[in-house]
Amino acid sequence: LAKTTQPISMDSYEGQEVNITCSHNNIATNDYITWYQQFPSQGPRFIIQGYKTKVTNEVASLFIPADRKSSTLSLPRVSLSDTAVYYCLVKKPDKLIFGTGTRLQVFP
Amino acid sequence: NAGVTQTPKFRVLKTGQSMTLLCAQDMNHEYMYWYRQDPGMGLRLIHYSVGEGTTAKGEVPDGYNVSRLKKQNFLLGLESAAPSQTSVYFCASRRLAGAGWEETQYFGPGTRLLVL
Repeated sequence: LAKTTQPISMDSYEGQEVNITCSHNNIATNDYITWYQQFPSQGPRFIIQGYKTKVTNEVASLFIPADRKSSTLSLPRVSLSDTAVYYCLVKKPDKLIFGTGTRLQVFP
Repeated sequence: NAGVTQTPKFRVLKTGQSMTLLCAQDMNHEYMYWYRQDPGMGLRLIHYSVGEGTTAKGEVPDGYNVSRLKKQNFLLGLESAAPSQTSVYFCASRRLAGAGWEETQYFGPGTRLLVL
């Protein structure tokens, strides 16, 4: 099963760039990488997804190397409201495979 | 457009009791999912459905049953609740389009279930 491994927690300060790296050694050819954000007492919310190289949207950037065995979520200039759990997931054709997530704490 | 809604928001059961959790989506999505989330853990897939009248097992299906009689609803049933089923349950849905890769899952707000 293509589960992911990511750091349990990270700390940062407001205004800094945060990079969260995830490993997915058993990713299959047809799988995508997707990242979700979850606040306490809420359902996960989609941030970004990609297959290879770099993807950028208004919220984050996602870097995936050629071998696709890892990926890095980059959050530019985080704020206090970015404090949440971030999940790196393998996206299969019909379902998502969740890991344990990274708890990001942003300090003023 | 309410998105994905879940009923109830919170429930307490005694061991052996049964109950049904309701998930409804108004986005005309083909795919629907039920997950459970335990403290400090990510979400684990219980069952999912790729269309009306179809269901499939996920990662942790034991002790649960599901039904998708209408496209907009996905029901999760516990026939005989056990303390190990104390968890937060999330429902999600997504559209089927093209190869399916691009489509995002939208999650409901969750149902907190406590089994005593």
